[in-house]
Amino acid sequence: DTGVSQNPRHKITKRGQNVTFRCDPISEHNRLYWYRQTLGQGPEFLTYFQNEAQLEKSRLLSDRFSAERPKGSFSTLEIQRTEQGDSAMYLCASSGRQVPQGTDTQYFGPGTRLTVL
Amino acid sequence: DQQVKQNSPSLSVQEGRISILNCDYTNSMFDYFLWYKKYPAEGPTFLISISSIKDKNEDGRFTVFLNKSAKHLSLHIVPSQPGDSAVYFCAARRGYNTDKLIFGTGTRLQVFP
Repeated sequence: DTGVSQNPRHKITKRGQNVTFRCDPISEHNRLYWYRQTLGQGPEFLTYFQNEAQLEKSRLLSDRFSAERPKGSFSTLEIQRTEQGDSAMYLCASSGRQVPQGTDTQYFGPGTRLTVL
Repeated sequence: DQQVKQNSPSLSVQEGRISILNCDYTNSMFDYFLWYKKYPAEGPTFLISISSIKDKNEDGRFTVFLNKSAKHLSLHIVPSQPGDSAVYFCAARRGYNTDKLIFGTGTRLQVFP
């Protein structure tokens, strides 16, 4: 399967613990995105990378959140000192540069569902 | 500030008929629009997109219409099939300086026999 993969699929943690999620994009894609989705809402943008450079971060991404893409391939999203409000589905997407410029389609992975007790 | 709105939380359509899902937006700087379908416990799946320079794009049973003056787009599915039952999200991107997508809250489509 050559789609976007995410691990783990589910994570249950206690408040105050740190968690880390991994995303492996489609192999030829140079852009990688993180979104968060809560019940009854659409996905909300968190951050994105072009290769290893983090180009944009949402105000939703508090200091407790950090994302990396060290070699421009897979990415990790870490949440420190988790809070119950962090419970959500964390989605990763990737895209590659296509013609015409600026019309890249983002392809999503299955998501990681986080539950903070 | 909800810049992309899907005002119908749910829609029920008989198999074989047309499904029309609507989306309104407020930001005139949006230049690219996409529709995604989402099944439970899966990530969104890309369906179809349209650039702001067009007013229609068609792909098989799916057609997206864009009315820029009304800041409105719609997704038509014809004929509707039971496998189309899912949550549909409209998304928009603002210009070439950012790749982030802004999503609506989704419309749950149910296609019954």
